[in-house]
Amino acid sequence: NAGVTQTPKFQVLKTGQSMTLQCAQDMNHNSMYWYRQDPGMGLRLIYYSASEGTTDKGEVPNGYNVSRLNKREFSLRLESAAPSQTSVYFCASSEGAGFGNQPQHFGDGTRLSIL
Amino acid sequence: SQQGEEDPQALSIQEGENATMNCSYKTSINNLQWYRQNSGRGLVHLILIRSNEREKHSGRLRVTLDTSKKSSSLLITASRAADTASYFCATANPNSGYALNFGKGTSLLVTP
Repeated sequence: NAGVTQTPKFQVLKTGQSMTLQCAQDMNHNSMYWYRQDPGMGLRLIYYSASEGTTDKGEVPNGYNVSRLNKREFSLRLESAAPSQTSVYFCASSEGAGFGNQPQHFGDGTRLSIL
Repeated sequence: SQQGEEDPQALSIQEGENATMNCSYKTSINNLQWYRQNSGRGLVHLILIRSNEREKHSGRLRVTLDTSKKSSSLLITASRAADTASYFCATANPNSGYALNFGKGTSLLVTP
């Protein structure tokens, strides 16, 4: 099984450009998440989708939008990229039931640089 | 928000030694999880300990949880060079679909 697949792995954008980060999971998980990881900051939640058809803001949603396209896919869009969005972006999924007593499965990340 | 905080920030040991990392958290929890991140890779789940458990083992990993002190520790016994990675503790936030709140991590270096 591939688990959680993120594309692209690397991307360089100019300020003001837009792009979509793709994420797909093959574990039939209900919940999916987007985090960003910055040096010295740990991981912070951008958006999450507790189940197919729902999305909600996390801790740092400004400048981002998401789409839960179906149960497998959860995309993250930067409409007008800013240098502050330079980061490593991780998608994760979990079964989503049982009061958080399940592990999350992570992709290998997208390394995004905004010039 | 940063729920967990790991200590130390960095740890350097030799192969065969034990490595201990500590984590403190702020609010009540259902469980606490530990993850490993190798350089340039995603996070990998190591172990989950529930709030009614005090200790849990998985291979060379031993995790303890003290809910009265809001703290946890991860012990890796007989460390190997392949254990070199960053280690994070995390708690699930029921207000955000059980998304994880992570600490800043402990960077472990195991030298041969």
